[in-house]
Amino acid sequence: QQQVKQSPQSLIVQKGGISIINCAYENTAFDYFPWYQQFPGKGPALLIAIRPDVSEKKEGRFTISFNKSAKQFSLHIMDSQPGDSATYFCAASRAYNTDKLIFGTGTRLQVFP
Amino acid sequence: DSGVTQTPKHLITATGQRVTLRCSPRSGDLSVYWYQQSLDQGLQFLIQYYNGEERAKGNILERFSAQQFPDLHSELNLSSLELGDSALYFCASALAKSTDTQYFGPGTRLTVL
Repeated sequence: QQQVKQSPQSLIVQKGGISIINCAYENTAFDYFPWYQQFPGKGPALLIAIRPDVSEKKEGRFTISFNKSAKQFSLHIMDSQPGDSATYFCAASRAYNTDKLIFGTGTRLQVFP
Repeated sequence: DSGVTQTPKHLITATGQRVTLRCSPRSGDLSVYWYQQSLDQGLQFLIQYYNGEERAKGNILERFSAQQFPDLHSELNLSSLELGDSALYFCASALAKSTDTQYFGPGTRLTVL
């Protein structure tokens, strides 16, 4: 029940295309869903996050779509750029409880010019 | 730059040895989290400290221990090291115990030979 399942494991997208990464969770107590971006040799950095009271959140080219009934959430990267090439992790936590993040297994995104 | 610092950046040691990883949180942050990142296990939560006290434990081995000092820096001690302990160890900090955004440091790469 603590798992967060992430797919695909890797993704290759052409510049200007849309990158979509999906995550699913089981624990209905989760109420905070962040996405982290990690470049090689760096620590994960918060990209965007959503709470289950909204179905979508957009920040620039990055959008989270959230489906509470299906217990799924996804990251969409519009107009993907070579600089977006990185590993993306979804995560989940109970925001006002133990705070620990349960991470998905990561998606390695490569954007080719 | 997240404002979280970790030392050393790289650490190479032998099986059976003991090492100490150090983390300085962002200025003003009271919570420190430790995560282990390995190729086969992904990012795993180890332990959290808040204002000097242990707050939550994850998949931390008995050979591992941590503490947070009065100046809020934290140390992760790994003893009786095994080959399987080779991984990236990240520290993250957050403002308070009931907050969402965790800021990750650059990590310490531990290699056990």
